[in-house]
Amino acid sequence: NAGVMQNPRHLVRRRGQEARLRCSPMKGHSHVYWYRQLPEEGLKFMVYLQKENIIDESGMPKERFSAEFPKEGPSILRIQQVVRGDSAAYFCASSPGTSGAHEQFFGPGTRLTVL
Amino acid sequence: AQSVSQHNHHVILSEAASLELGCNYSYGGTVNLFWYVQYPGQHLQLLLKYFSGDPLVKGIKGFEAEFIKSKFSFNLRKPSVQWSDTAEYFCAVNAPDSGTYKYIFGTGTRLKVLA
Repeated sequence: NAGVMQNPRHLVRRRGQEARLRCSPMKGHSHVYWYRQLPEEGLKFMVYLQKENIIDESGMPKERFSAEFPKEGPSILRIQQVVRGDSAAYFCASSPGTSGAHEQFFGPGTRLTVL
Repeated sequence: AQSVSQHNHHVILSEAASLELGCNYSYGGTVNLFWYVQYPGQHLQLLLKYFSGDPLVKGIKGFEAEFIKSKFSFNLRKPSVQWSDTAEYFCAVNAPDSGTYKYIFGTGTRLKVLA
């Protein structure tokens, strides 16, 4: 029973390039969350999605960042025109959405380095 | 706004010592509480969770936590730590009646257990 999958695990980009991070939730899970962990900081919520809908994007930077969770395929976190400050670990989590507590299961993360 | 405080950022213990990691949150409504552990190079794993009922919660690997509503606290405890408990520990909260199930994380506590 595969857990939450994220790829790539490590991503290196130069300033100005685009970064695409992918997250495949656990089988049967329809809710996806993205978090960012900056060096020496805790995880910060970015966005919460259900299939084809963004439910809460209160943690997303206003520019350059976008997320989607299409009907088919993985959830994508897209960062356009990356800057050095985007270097961080990006974690995806999923939940089944059937229980009120929405316990989340985390993926291994993508470590983005911007040169 | 919700927030979570973990007061101990770095803790060093010898094997067999007792552990208590503090977690306080600020939110006036109903909360669900979680402790996650992140071993070096691995993804976050759930240690234990509190939704309702008995405020003393038992988790995996001998960990437990007590929810004290009057103190807005959910401290993690283990009577006797092992070298293999060396990891980073995160407290998290979500508010199921807020319309979003995002987690608010504390900044984490890095535990080092000396053999």
